[in-house]
This record gives sequence, structure tokens and C-alpha cells, in this order.
Amino acid sequence: AQTVTQSQPEMSVQEAETVTLSCTYDTSENNYYLFWYKQPPSRQMILVIRQEAYKQQNATENRFSVNFQKAAKSFSLKISDSQLGDTAMYFCAFTRGNTPLVFGKGTRLSVIA
Amino acid sequence: KAGVTQTPRYLIKTRGQQVTLSCSPISGHRSVSWYQQTPGQGLQFLFEYFSETQRNKGNFPGRFSGRQFSNSRSEMNVSTLELGDSALYLCASSLVFGLGGLDEQYFGPGTRLTVT
Repeated sequence: AQTVTQSQPEMSVQEAETVTLSCTYDTSENNYYLFWYKQPPSRQMILVIRQEAYKQQNATENRFSVNFQKAAKSFSLKISDSQLGDTAMYFCAFTRGNTPLVFGKGTRLSVIA
Repeated sequence: KAGVTQTPRYLIKTRGQQVTLSCSPISGHRSVSWYQQTPGQGLQFLFEYFSETQRNKGNFPGRFSGRQFSNSRSEMNVSTLELGDSALYLCASSLVFGLGGLDEQYFGPGTRLTVT
């Protein structure tokens, strides 16, 4: 079974600084998809960024980018120019495609003014 | 376009009772997934429905069941509630089933269930 591990339960960052959230996963599959989801205190989960395993290029969405290391099974999220609105729980998730999302336990990120 | 809606938003039940939660997906979405979120276990998959058929099921006891209607709305039912069922229950919808990473899941705000 696939597992997703987020080793940082909590992190904090100063506004305008850069922070990196870690995620590792375990799978024997070659084709799969990885995601970072954000869950603000209001609770609605939203997709931040996604990465297809067959793509070597790291995904980028505005201030959010990933460092995808397939051989190391690592998928970290970098948030640049952190904003107060980035304060949230961040979940890393995995799917083979036609299987349910498997989530990590999450990292609580606090952006400090 | 309206997002995923879940009703009720908050619910308090006592042990032994049963509860039904409802999820209305985004218009046009045919796949609905349910997740249980607790501080200890995190997000755990319950089941996924597509075109009124259960396509995937998580590792939960038979007390947890669900269904999907022809309009894609979904309900989940928990019978004989236990204290450990207290959780945030999240519903997510997507356009189709099986495209995995190519088809984004949109989450609802959740139903907070408290079992006393």
C-alpha cells in the first residue's frame, strides 16, 4: 500500500520569506500523481499544485513550486514570498490515477507578520 | 458555479444513534468521494461513487455506508455511532472517475460530527 509521510508537524515562517515543506512517499508504481492541498482554518481544502510522475519538470504555480525527486520519492513544496493568507494545514497526497487519494498527516504552517 | 455543498455543517449525536450526511457535488461532476478527518488519523478515505456505483472503498467497518443518486448527490450513513466516529467528514467531487491526477477533486467545507 502507498504511504505518504510529512515529517514536519508544524512550521512557521516570517512574512515575505521562503519556506519549504517536506513530503516523502512509498510506492512501487512508476506512474502516479502527487498533490499539495491547503486547508485554511475555515476548513475548505483547496488544491495548491500537482505533479505528474512522468514529467521531469517541476510544477510551478505562482509563488508555489515543488521539488520532485522521483528516485528519492520526495515531493517538497516551496512557498516563496510567504503571505499571511498562506497560514493553513498543508497536505501532501498521492494517487495512482484510478485510486483514492492517500494523504500525509499534514504540516501546520503559520506565517508570522 | 456553486461549489461542493455539505449538509449539515455541524451535528451532535449520542452513542448508538445513526446519522446521515449529505453532499451535493459541483454541477456536472459525477464522481463523489468521502473522507474522514481526525487529529489522530488524519485524512482517511471512506468511499468513492461514480454514476451511482461504488468504485472504491476504504478500510472502514460496515457501519459506514454510502450511496449516490442519479443527480450525483451522495449520502453517507453511519449506524450505531461510537465515540471514535467524532470527526470532520469531507466530501469531494470531480468530473469523472479514473483520471486521477488529471481531474482535480474539489472539496466541500465538511460536516463536523460530534458523538457524545
